[in-house]
Amino acid sequence: GAGVSQSPSNKVTEKGKDVELRCDPISGHTALYWYRQRLGQGLEFLIYFQGNSAPDKSGLPSDRFSAERTGESVSTLTIQRTQQEDSAVYLCASSLGLAEETQYFGPGTRLLVL
Amino acid sequence: GESVGLHLPTLSVQEGDNSIINCAYSNSASDYFIWYKQESGKGPQFIIDIRSNMDKRQGQRVTVLLNKTVKHLSLQIAATQPGDSAVYFCAENWAGGGNKLTFGTGTQLKVEL
Repeated sequence: GAGVSQSPSNKVTEKGKDVELRCDPISGHTALYWYRQRLGQGLEFLIYFQGNSAPDKSGLPSDRFSAERTGESVSTLTIQRTQQEDSAVYLCASSLGLAEETQYFGPGTRLLVL
Repeated sequence: GESVGLHLPTLSVQEGDNSIINCAYSNSASDYFIWYKQESGKGPQFIIDIRSNMDKRQGQRVTVLLNKTVKHLSLQIAATQPGDSAVYFCAENWAGGGNKLTFGTGTQLKVEL
């Protein structure tokens, strides 16, 4: 079946603008994760959705960052009033939702804030 | 031009040789570990995982070793091929922390012909 998909694949925006990034998880996966990857670095956890539970937002770097998920489907990550330091690759992953299940990643959205 | 940011540790191997990539993890409570491979411009791809009740697990051409005493994880790739060239990340998780992964900084593997 199809893997995790993300859109857009690339986004260039001006400082101060808002951006929305989209993730479509693997069908049947109840857990969805957002990570950020700065150039040449590892992944930083941002937020995690599991079924109908309240999301784990402990990794969001500021209140400019928010995410929503519709049921067990699509998720959007919104960054308001973007700053240059927000430039990174934003990766989405999904898993079956059981504890310690393998997370499968999408190709990411490359965000550049000018 | 040069890239901005941290320079990843690099491991260069000859095609056909075995590769060993090492990772020191941080949380002694971590009980699940994964190795991911990331090719340029792509998302991380699952390679192999291991739970803390094991010290070795083998896949196709890959072996993961776990030493909980010193909090060390390694990935061994047998008969390394040009297609193995990528950045390799280890990731750790512990059941008490939800299901969010903590990633290492990565190692760049370069396979020379």
